[in-house]
Amino acid sequence: TQLLEQSPQFLSIQEGENLTVYCNSSSVFSSLQWYRQEPGEGPVLLVTVVTGGEVKKLKRLTFQFGDARKDSSLHITAAQPGDTGLYLCAGARGVDSNYQLIWGAGTKLIIKP
Amino acid sequence: DVKVTQSSRYLVKRTGEKVFLECVQDMDHENMFWYRQDPGLGLRLIYFSYDVKMKEKGDIPEGYSVSREKKERFSLILESASTNQTSMYLCASRNPVGAPYNSPLHFGNGTRLTVT
Repeated sequence: TQLLEQSPQFLSIQEGENLTVYCNSSSVFSSLQWYRQEPGEGPVLLVTVVTGGEVKKLKRLTFQFGDARKDSSLHITAAQPGDTGLYLCAGARGVDSNYQLIWGAGTKLIIKP
Repeated sequence: DVKVTQSSRYLVKRTGEKVFLECVQDMDHENMFWYRQDPGLGLRLIYFSYDVKMKEKGDIPEGYSVSREKKERFSLILESASTNQTSMYLCASRNPVGAPYNSPLHFGNGTRLTVT
């Protein structure tokens, strides 16, 4: 079974601080998706990174795909209470439309005002 | 916007009962999925379906079955519920067009099942 190690599992920080979440694997992925899940809701896609070394920004969130497409990171600058939630990374295996996803265990993020 | 609707937000069932979890999507997506979500374990795939009448086992199919008689509906069945099936169940759908990065999953809001 392929593994996607996500760290940290839990993070509680003050508003305004920066943080980084990591997803690491020994396997190569065709792309990597990041989702956010708020309490009582299903995960919602934030971004997909495709190319090795790719960097995507979504306001204060910066997503990076490793050069070898085995790892990814999510960096949040000046975290806000609205960033609170469960962040999930998922690596795509396969290049056609019926790809499979390998999921990280998730990072529960709490931003305290 | 894609809407994936799960019929129940909360369910409490007794050990040995047969349980049906229903999921409906309104965007004519071909692919549908059932996951369970447990703290620290992420999402684990139970079953998926590429199209009507089709089903494939995921990583943890034991104790579950599925039904996909219509394109928009994907049902998860617990033949005889057990306490270790207490979990959050998430349904998702996807339109399999183009490359993977063009077809992310769309999730329902989940059904929290408790088996006593």
